[in-house]
Amino acid sequence: DVKVTQSSRYLVKRTGEKVFLECVQDMDHENMFWYRQDPGLGLRLIYFSYDVKMKEKGDIPEGYSVSREKKERFSLILESASTNQTSMYLCASSKGQDSSYNSPLHFGNGTRLTVT
Amino acid sequence: AQKVTQAQTEISVVEKEDVTLDCVYETRDTTYYLFWYKQPPSGELVFLIRRNSFDEQNEISGRYSWNFQKSTSSFNFTITASQVVDSAVYFCALRSNTDSWGKLQFGAGTQVVVTP
Repeated sequence: DVKVTQSSRYLVKRTGEKVFLECVQDMDHENMFWYRQDPGLGLRLIYFSYDVKMKEKGDIPEGYSVSREKKERFSLILESASTNQTSMYLCASSKGQDSSYNSPLHFGNGTRLTVT
Repeated sequence: AQKVTQAQTEISVVEKEDVTLDCVYETRDTTYYLFWYKQPPSGELVFLIRRNSFDEQNEISGRYSWNFQKSTSSFNFTITASQVVDSAVYFCALRSNTDSWGKLQFGAGTQVVVTP
């Protein structure tokens, strides 16, 4: 089974802090994604990556950046955390371009971030 | 633009009742994929089913069934004889061929509460 592991289940940070959310997958997937989940809004895509060192903006990239130095690891960075970034963050991975349209996303357990 | 609408925010049923979750989608593409995911209280989204736009056959998997109708742009999900373990948030999602790199557009989700 695909395993997507997010390093923290819960995080509490202060406004203005730099925050790193880490995600690791063990199935050699090319694509990795960061989504944000808020009540009534569903999941919204922040950033995604289709290869090492490659990244693309999703629907709500403002206030976030990402890093993918290794294929298995995809990090989400909040440069200066704000209270409106309090949310559930979900990482996902899927197979590469040739099969990506048919390939489901595999998700981690999520990181619930609270910014005070 | 792609859009997925799950009009039902929350559905409450008593165990053994059937429950149907509605999903309506919008896309200009002729080739696309539809997905359903389950998110139990543990937080991890679990992939349930994938359907491509050329396959309108309904599908049954145990107590789960899906009704795909292109004419009404709907992909509804029914749980028969619901159980307490079915309590979760259920998401419908869409991926079109023009969506780069396999990213999914999610609906807002429907919370299903099954009481004994």
